[in-house]
Amino acid sequence: QKEVEQDPGPLSVPEGAIVSLNCTYSNSAFQYFMWYRQYSRKGPELLMYTYSSGNKEDGRFTAQVDKSSKYISLFIRDSQPSDSATYLCAMSLPRSASKIIFGSGTRLSIRP
Amino acid sequence: DVKVTQSSRYLVKRTGEKVFLECVQDMDHENMFWYRQDPGLGLRLIYFSYDVKMKEKGDIPEGYSVSREKKERFSLILESASTNQTSMYLCASSGLAGVGEQYFGPGTRLTVT
Repeated sequence: QKEVEQDPGPLSVPEGAIVSLNCTYSNSAFQYFMWYRQYSRKGPELLMYTYSSGNKEDGRFTAQVDKSSKYISLFIRDSQPSDSATYLCAMSLPRSASKIIFGSGTRLSIRP
Repeated sequence: DVKVTQSSRYLVKRTGEKVFLECVQDMDHENMFWYRQDPGLGLRLIYFSYDVKMKEKGDIPEGYSVSREKKERFSLILESASTNQTSMYLCASSGLAGVGEQYFGPGTRLTVT
């Protein structure tokens, strides 16, 4: 079993829809949770991060961590065609924050 | 802004050739990483370095070596390229502060024929 599981998609939704992207993980010791966005032919870039449980909001994006279920989510409100990209979840342990475990990514397409 | 640059965007090499991929970061980061990214397999860590001349194997080091002679530069070496090393190679760096978030370069698409 992989440490981090992510549905690869592809996921296609109409512009303006709410998008929900999810990951599950197996190691309960993970403390830092991140979402990266990767546009075609580019490297991933950090979108958001949270420490331990709870929610974090940044504009149209909300990251949610449920440690009891070992489940993290990224919600995108009022989705735009420019949000079309691959989204990778990532997480790390407290004393090895420099070494991050990545999900395989979900390809998202927003239809105008 | 953190900048991580990679020496080539696209590279085509023949089986058996020695291949060098170069990565440079300008943020004085201690940690540097090499990943390969393949469809369905996501990002897999090849090697990482937490200091000059220090390195640690990642999940898939076989067939690769690395060199870090200067803090800002981290090189990935394919000693004898094989077709199964055709992939997207991504370099990343991170500092000691914060949650250790990694900053990525644009990637090198390597094709071995």
